[in-house]
Amino acid sequence: AQSVAQPEDQVNVAEGNPLTVKCTYSVSGNPYLFWYVQYPNRGLQFLLKYITGDNLVKGSYGFEAEFNKSQTSFHLKKPSALVSDSALYFCAVTYPNTDKLIFGTGTRLQVFP
Amino acid sequence: DTGVSQDPRHKITKRGQNVTFRCDPISEHNRLYWYRQTLGQGPEFLTYFQNEAQLEKSRLLSDRFSAERPKGSFSTLEIQRTEQGDSAMYLCASSGDDTQYFGPGTRLTVL
Repeated sequence: AQSVAQPEDQVNVAEGNPLTVKCTYSVSGNPYLFWYVQYPNRGLQFLLKYITGDNLVKGSYGFEAEFNKSQTSFHLKKPSALVSDSALYFCAVTYPNTDKLIFGTGTRLQVFP
Repeated sequence: DTGVSQDPRHKITKRGQNVTFRCDPISEHNRLYWYRQTLGQGPEFLTYFQNEAQLEKSRLLSDRFSAERPKGSFSTLEIQRTEQGDSAMYLCASSGDDTQYFGPGTRLTVL
């Protein structure tokens, strides 16, 4: 079955330090991979996606993610964290011709001043 | 604002009542999706439309749930005879390509 794993419930990082939020997915065909961010009592906001091409994708607010096919991972990164990045981050996968997104359980990012 | 909108934002109802939610997608998007999110979990797919056709429904969508998109624009999600287990955030998304854009959600509380 297609699935997404976010192994960390929470990630804590000091402002100005680099951050990484981890995501792995189950293998079945050629996945499309996404990161979304959710602020309290809000819907999900699209950050970035990998469809094909360059394994390093850049998105909104300085975030980037690297698709690693051999490790079936799509970790979210940012070189320098901001307090305002504190939120709930979801990794999601879909496959061609299915359209539905399969989400991980989310990782809460806490950036301390 | 040209994003996805949902109405109402919050709904409190008593068990056994019917509720209906509305979603207005981004205007040029032909695909519309409904998801449900419970506390501490990621969103779970419920159903999706391409134009007015409902193309896929999750097993989560019991007989008490029905969704429509009659003119291929806005969509409604109705829950009949609500149960406490229906309490959740109901999210709508739309897409015109491979990226889904989400609305703010409707938070349902069933007492």
